[in-house]
Amino acid sequence: GAVVSQHPSRVICKSGTSVKIECRSLDFQATTMFWYRQFPKQSLMLMATSNEGSKATYEQGVEKDKFLINHASLTLSTLTVTSAHPEDSSFYICSARNGRETQYFGPGTRLLVL
Amino acid sequence: AQSVAQPEDQVNVAEGNPLTVKCTYSVSGNPYLFWYVQYPNRGLQFLLKYITGDNLVKGSYGFEAEFNKSQTSFHLKKPSALVSDSALYFCAVRDPGRDDKIIFGKGTRLHILP
Repeated sequence: GAVVSQHPSRVICKSGTSVKIECRSLDFQATTMFWYRQFPKQSLMLMATSNEGSKATYEQGVEKDKFLINHASLTLSTLTVTSAHPEDSSFYICSARNGRETQYFGPGTRLLVL
Repeated sequence: AQSVAQPEDQVNVAEGNPLTVKCTYSVSGNPYLFWYVQYPNRGLQFLLKYITGDNLVKGSYGFEAEFNKSQTSFHLKKPSALVSDSALYFCAVRDPGRDDKIIFGKGTRLHILP
């Protein structure tokens, strides 16, 4: 099946710093990528949808200046959490879709902001 | 608006017994339906999908699901549960005629008892 990777798998940073998370589709070209956030014991919350070469579409309540998304190629999307604060600590999961049907998910990135 | 309901927070099944994880959906058009599984501190793994065709869909690890249009359901089933099936299961729906994103249920935690 299609493989999506994320890097890093875990990151700890100080409050006020920025953190970049990479998402790659390893064996397919992803015209659309998605970024989710998951709180403990909860479902996934969609943050934004990005199409290659265009600006991301953010869900209501998600600050686009806080969570910068870049989808520069058909195999790479990045999420940058700018000026991170403890409330940004969470599990971030990316997803990529080839064509119109199935979304494949990365393994997730655990972010802890001290 | 599209929505997904997983009525059970948790399902307990003895090893070797059949299991069912329930899912109902609401969309205005013809749905794309998905099941994903999540193991602790990991992303989501794709199990199976219904797009069109045969209502009974077979997926990974011996799982299957039946699309029932009249009951708007897409329950996940397996004839004989394994302890390793213990995980968090998410049902998801997408209305391809309306939206680019999929909507997840809240998840059902499956415990297989040895």
